[in-house]
Formats: sequence, C-alpha cells, structure tokens
Amino acid sequence: DGGITQSPKYLFRKEGQNVTLSCEQNLNHDAMYWYRQDPGQGLRLIYYSQIVNDFQKGDIAEGYSVSREKKESFPLTVTSAQKNPTAFYLCASRTGTAVSPLHFGNGTRLTVT
Amino acid sequence: KQEVTQIPAALSVPEGENLVLNCSFTDSAIYNLQWFRQDPGKGLTSLLLIQSSQREQTSGRLNASLDKSSGRSTLYIAASQPGDSATYLCAVEAAGNKLTFGGGTRVLVKP
Repeated sequence: DGGITQSPKYLFRKEGQNVTLSCEQNLNHDAMYWYRQDPGQGLRLIYYSQIVNDFQKGDIAEGYSVSREKKESFPLTVTSAQKNPTAFYLCASRTGTAVSPLHFGNGTRLTVT
Repeated sequence: KQEVTQIPAALSVPEGENLVLNCSFTDSAIYNLQWFRQDPGKGLTSLLLIQSSQREQTSGRLNASLDKSSGRSTLYIAASQPGDSATYLCAVEAAGNKLTFGGGTRVLVKP
C-alpha cells in the first residue's frame, strides 16, 4: 500500500532542543516537500528536494534543516534557532513533473514549550 | 509575489445544496492549479488538478474551472453530503516547482 508516512503524529519538546521529523515515501517519487501549517493559514513551504542529494530553501527556511540521502526519505530538523516552532508540519511528494498532483502524509503536530 | 485568496473562510449549507468554493490568485503565469481536501488533523488529499491550458476538470460530483486571465478558479460540489464537510484548499504552481496555497474554506454540510 503506497503512501507517505510521517512520524511521530505528536511531538513535544522543550525550548532550545533540536527535533527531527521523519518523512518516508514508497511511491518512487523524485520530489519531496516540507510545509508548515498554522491555524487558519495556508501552507508555507519550508524546504523542497527534486532529486537525491539536492534540496532548496522554500519561503520560510530559517531555523530548519533537511537532508536527502535516499530517494525515500526527507527528514526535517527543527533547530533551536526557529523562533516559533509550534505548528503542524506536512510532508508531501510527487513525480518530478509539474503536471502531477502532490501526495501528502498525515502530518506531525509539534509543540514546543 | 503570488498571492492566493479563498473567500469565504467558512461556509455552512444544508445537505443536498450545491457548494461553490472560490479561489483567486494575483499572477496569471501559472503551470497548474490544484484543489485539495483536508480533514481535521490530517494531511491534504488531492481532488483535482487543472493544467494552465485547461478550462475545467471533473471527477464525480466535483467540477473545477479555471480562468487564468481573471485569476480565478471555482470548485463546484454537486448535491452536498455531510461527508463533504472538510476544509478545501487551492494551490497554484508557478516556475520553480513551488506551490502557493490559499488559506482554505472550511465547509460544514448540515444533515
């Protein structure tokens, strides 16, 4: 059963700690994305990767880091430099073409206190 | 910079009524426009994708239109059902494989 798996579903951290969110896909998709969603707002792009070992900053990359060592995996690290890390984080993927729809995972809700 | 707006932010209709959801965007130089559905606490599910050369797409009770020149798209859901209650988001894609999302319309279909 193909899809995108994000784990964990809920994550709690203390301020000042780095935390890594997992995203794995078995859809054989080339492109992967990380979005952040805040209440009542649309999704904002953090980072995206169109191919293994390559990634680009999105609109709100400050305080975040990613890696793309394998096609299936695109983990996101929320660092202590991110000023407002509490949010709902969504991972997505698609084939490399602009005419293919995005497939999303079920998200990770991060709470930092 | 591309901006995508969805009005209204929330909508409530009785079961059986047709739903009309609006999406507007500021830059008409887009590759495609997508409509998504999001249930509470979940990820997004792609409903329809309209390429820039197309005027509309249909899937079952859903029909989406695209007017690039006016920067508008409309999602029609015929004969709404309580199971259609969700948040609907639109997103436009321009150069660079980047999508810009609207804030969504939260829909409640009352039995």
